[in-house]
Amino acid sequence: DAGITQSPRHKVTETGTPVTLRCHQTENHRYMYWYRQDPGHGLRLIHYSYGVKDTDKGEVSDGYSVSRSKTEDFLLTLESATSSQTSVYFCAISDQLAQDSQFFGPGTRLTVL
Amino acid sequence: EDKVVQSPLSLVVHEGDTVTLNCSYEVTNFRSLLWYKQEKKAPTFLFMLTSSGIEKKSGRLSSILDKKELFSILNITATQTGDSAIYLCAVYSGGGADGLTFGKGTHLIIQP
Repeated sequence: DAGITQSPRHKVTETGTPVTLRCHQTENHRYMYWYRQDPGHGLRLIHYSYGVKDTDKGEVSDGYSVSRSKTEDFLLTLESATSSQTSVYFCAISDQLAQDSQFFGPGTRLTVL
Repeated sequence: EDKVVQSPLSLVVHEGDTVTLNCSYEVTNFRSLLWYKQEKKAPTFLFMLTSSGIEKKSGRLSSILDKKELFSILNITATQTGDSAIYLCAVYSGGGADGLTFGKGTHLIIQP
């Protein structure tokens, strides 16, 4: 399995609080992604990164921000969590030479009350 | 907007049966189609297809892509209870947002 970890694995928080999810990789891959998975919607891209300090928006980026200060870490921040952001969040990575072959981390289950 | 549609959304079969899962897509600038298996955790990579008509095989699983008709199928022969999972189809277009566009998945249940 690709060396990808996510933390925390589970989190319960209240509406209006800030939340940061962390993705850490040991593969030295250039590309990193954040997806959310919801029943009836499948997996949807939130943000992605194509290098240190280089990020861009995905399909469902509203309410989320990201940062990548090191190759190995990609942070997803919910500035003010809402109940609609209750979801399972997956991080994925891919290599520059095979960008379409994405490998997923174990996921973070976030509940916003 | 890129679109991936999987069918059926759910399927229940008996152990030993053969199943065919379908994936159709509409994307701009198609690059590749990927199949993932998801049990109660992260999606795990099965196949990536880029060329039409070439079958990818791994044991009892195989997949083929038809770029003209814009679809792919995933076949599982001699199914086992361990094949029970959600099977996800995704397409990579490589333009704009560089992530994968996923279908909603097929929930496959194999009964003993």
